[in-house]
Amino acid sequence: DTEVTQTPKHLVMGMTNKKSLKCEQHMGHRAMYWYKQKAKKPPELMFVYSYEKLSINESVPSRFSPECPNSSLLNLHLHALQPEDSALYLCASSQDWRQGKAWDTEAFFGQGTRLTVV
Amino acid sequence: AQSVSQHNHHVILSEAASLELGCNYSYGGTVNLFWYVQYPGQHLQLLLKYFSGDPLVKGIKGFEAEFIKSKFSFNLRKPSVQWSDTAEYFCAVNALITGNQFYFGTGTSLTVIP
Repeated sequence: DTEVTQTPKHLVMGMTNKKSLKCEQHMGHRAMYWYKQKAKKPPELMFVYSYEKLSINESVPSRFSPECPNSSLLNLHLHALQPEDSALYLCASSQDWRQGKAWDTEAFFGQGTRLTVV
Repeated sequence: AQSVSQHNHHVILSEAASLELGCNYSYGGTVNLFWYVQYPGQHLQLLLKYFSGDPLVKGIKGFEAEFIKSKFSFNLRKPSVQWSDTAEYFCAVNALITGNQFYFGTGTSLTVIP
C-alpha cells in the first residue's frame, strides 16, 4: 500500500467555522507533511512531523493547528480562516531521515483537500 | 537563501517536439532530487528521482533527467512529447542537511499542441 489518503476531498467553510482535515498512511513512514497549494503554484511546505513530533513550522498562522495523534495519522485543524486561505491542502509522508537507509527517501502525496473559505 | 528554481514558467510545444525543462537548486551538500507532474485536476505524481549513482535517471512515460552536480542542476528531458504530457511539472529537492524537508521549484506549465 503506497497510498496517502486524505479526507474530505472538498470542504467549504465559513470564516467562523472550525473544521479538520485528515490524512492517513500505512507505509510505516515516520515523517509526515502538510503543504498548501494555490492554483498554478508549487506546493508550499507548512508543517513537518518527525516521529509524531512537530519538527518544522514554516511560520504558518495559528489559525492552522496541526496534530499527529499516532504514526499513521495527521490532522490539520482549521479555525477562523480567511478567504485567502482557500487552496488545495496536500498531505505527504516519507521515511524519516533517521529511518533505516537514511537518504533514499521520496515523498508520497495524497490527492489533497480542496478548501474553500467563504 | 536556499532555493529551487525552474527557468521556464510556461512552455508550448507541438506533438513530437523534444522537451527540456531546467531546474537549479542552491542547497549545499547531499541532495535528493525529484520531478513531479500534476495533470489538470489531479494530484502530484512522481516522474523520477535521483538519490545517488548514475546521474542520468529514467522515469515513467519516457522522461529522463540528468543530475549535474557542478551546475547544481537536474534538468528534465523527453525526446518526443505527446498531447497527454500537458501538465504542470515541479522540480523538488530534499536537502539532507536539513532533514525531512521537500521543497518545490516554481513549476513549469507545459502545453502540448496536437
